[in-house]
Amino acid sequence: AQSVTQLDSQVPVFEEAPVELRCNYSSSVSVYLFWYVQYPNQGLQLLLKYLSGSTLVKGINGFEAEFNKSQTSFHLRKPSVHISDTAEYFCAVRRDDKIIFGKGTRLHILP
Amino acid sequence: EADIYQTPRYLVIGTGKKITLECSQTMGHDKMYWYQQDPGMELHLIHYSYGVNSTEKGDLSSESTVSRIRTEHFPLTLESARPSHTSQYLCASSDRLGMDTQYFGPGTRLTVL
Repeated sequence: AQSVTQLDSQVPVFEEAPVELRCNYSSSVSVYLFWYVQYPNQGLQLLLKYLSGSTLVKGINGFEAEFNKSQTSFHLRKPSVHISDTAEYFCAVRRDDKIIFGKGTRLHILP
Repeated sequence: EADIYQTPRYLVIGTGKKITLECSQTMGHDKMYWYQQDPGMELHLIHYSYGVNSTEKGDLSSESTVSRIRTEHFPLTLESARPSHTSQYLCASSDRLGMDTQYFGPGTRLTVL
């Protein structure tokens, strides 16, 4: 069965520094992968998705992710974070017409 | 911005009460979902629907029930609330063309005393 593992529950990073949030998936078939962001007291919002084609996917708010089939990873990156990026980030995979979410990574931006 | 709404946003209620959490979307999406989310935990799918008069239970067992009489409306009901039902409930919808990209409402934070 397809699933996702987010390796870090919390990631602290200084403002304007780069960040990488890690996600690994388990699947033996073609995958559709997603990153969602949840700001405080809000629902989830799609950041980006990988369905096929180029392995580097660009999303909103300056985020991007790279699909790596050999490492079964889909890490999320941003070259320079802002205080407004403080949120919970969820990696997800499509399975049997449903979306399976990881446990989330809380991004803390330090001044 | 997604047009999916949930009411109420916050609800504090006593044990044994019947409650209904409302979810509506104006995007004409066929698929709708209810997730339960506890702090620091992944989202758990508790109900989903692929269209009018279609409802299915999700991966996480739940004592709640849902109905889908209209495309835009997908309410969740708890007949008798208990403290173990305290959680955040998120509603989402998706369409087939977007490969199930899901659009989420703001959530209802339920506290049962």
